Amino acid sequence: NAGVTQTPKFQVLKTGQSMTLQCAQDMNHNSMYWYRQDPGMGLRLIYYSASEGTTDKGEVPNGYNVSRLNKREFSLRLESAAPSQTSVYFCASSELGKHNEQFFGPGTRLTVL
Amino acid sequence: GQSLEQPSEVTAVEGAIVQINCTYQTSGFYGLSWYQQHDGGAPTFLSYNALDGLEETGRFSSFLSRSDSYGYLLLQELQMKDSASYFCAAMDSSYKLIFGSGTRLLVRP
Repeated sequence: NAGVTQTPKFQVLKTGQSMTLQCAQDMNHNSMYWYRQDPGMGLRLIYYSASEGTTDKGEVPNGYNVSRLNKREFSLRLESAAPSQTSVYFCASSELGKHNEQFFGPGTRLTVL
Repeated sequence: GQSLEQPSEVTAVEGAIVQINCTYQTSGFYGLSWYQQHDGGAPTFLSYNALDGLEETGRFSSFLSRSDSYGYLLLQELQMKDSASYFCAAMDSSYKLIFGSGTRLLVRP
């Protein structure tokens, strides 16, 4: 099992460019999440999907959109990147009813110039 | 909303015991989780307390007191590989995790 995989690992964008971060899990988990982590800080929830077909906003959704493509895949899109979106982005998943125990991917390090 | 407070940094000696505290303020609280994150790595789940009391998992234990809005992570027999950041995270009534800013643990020889 690969667990949670994310692509790309690194990305540099110019202000105003768009991109999609991909996430997939092979653990048959129902719930998936997108977080961002800024230097020296904890993780902040951007969006989450409690189950296939549903998505909800987290703490910091502005400037982002998500798609739960199927049970395995959950993508995060930046439509018009801004320097404030420079961060490390983590995708996570959890079993139904075990939201407290989340499994994280390796992260995408994004720099917006 | 919810907010969590934990110390920014703790230093301890190899073989010793260290306690990382976490206090939380919440408008809805289901439980407290702890995660470990090594530099450049992903967070990994350590433990979860839904009820008051102590949960033990090997060298790591976690404690929760709902009446005091307080919890801690206890690491025993510290090893160099325990040097990492440790995050407490509160689960709110909509099953979302709210993370603290993390405690950086440095284990010295």
